[in-house]
Amino acid sequence: DTEVTQTPKHLVMGMTNKKSLKCEQHMGHRAMYWYKQKAKKPPELMFVYSYEKLSINESVPSRFSPECPNSSLLNLHLHALQPEDSALYLCASSQGFPGELFFGEGSRLTVL
Amino acid sequence: EDKVVQSPLSLVVHEGDTVTLNCSYEVTNFRSLLWYKQEKKAPTFLFMLTSSGIEKKSGRLSSILDKKELFSILNITATQTGDSAVYLCAVRGGSEKLVFGKGTKLTVNP
Repeated sequence: DTEVTQTPKHLVMGMTNKKSLKCEQHMGHRAMYWYKQKAKKPPELMFVYSYEKLSINESVPSRFSPECPNSSLLNLHLHALQPEDSALYLCASSQGFPGELFFGEGSRLTVL
Repeated sequence: EDKVVQSPLSLVVHEGDTVTLNCSYEVTNFRSLLWYKQEKKAPTFLFMLTSSGIEKKSGRLSSILDKKELFSILNITATQTGDSAVYLCAVRGGSEKLVFGKGTKLTVNP
């Protein structure tokens, strides 16, 4: 089972809303990632969790707050977002280093 | 700063043609280079190349890594319309970070 599942698939929110994106993998992977992808651009790394600890934060604004409750779950909490934060948010996991990343189908976020 | 440059940025071919996509990189403490195919949604993994695995092949797709010259190529033979996608190259250095190039948009016309 090489599946990373993300919910919701689509999310529309206002600038004052608080919402969360969720990601789950059951492959026993030790590292999980959040990427942001704008239209016609490559994915940009936001956060990396390794063994449930935040190992990389690519200077992401604090309105994005990651959380890794356990080794299978990864959340991205959203608060006071801006319209320019509208994008496809991709979750990924990997077994080891420097192994391949497996991506979920993404959550398409629209901020009004 | 780690850097990945792909060329061409876009390519239009006819079914049956063979294409070569290029990826050059600069990365500190290189560990791996990965190729992904992205259609409408998530990138799907194609190949991973490392110092111990510099050539990979799967069906009509193949890839090689030249660690000395710091580049990789992805070949697709006998292209089909289903090969139309953005092909992303990404490299990993000494950290968990995977850095992507801008991608090559391949269009295969019938």
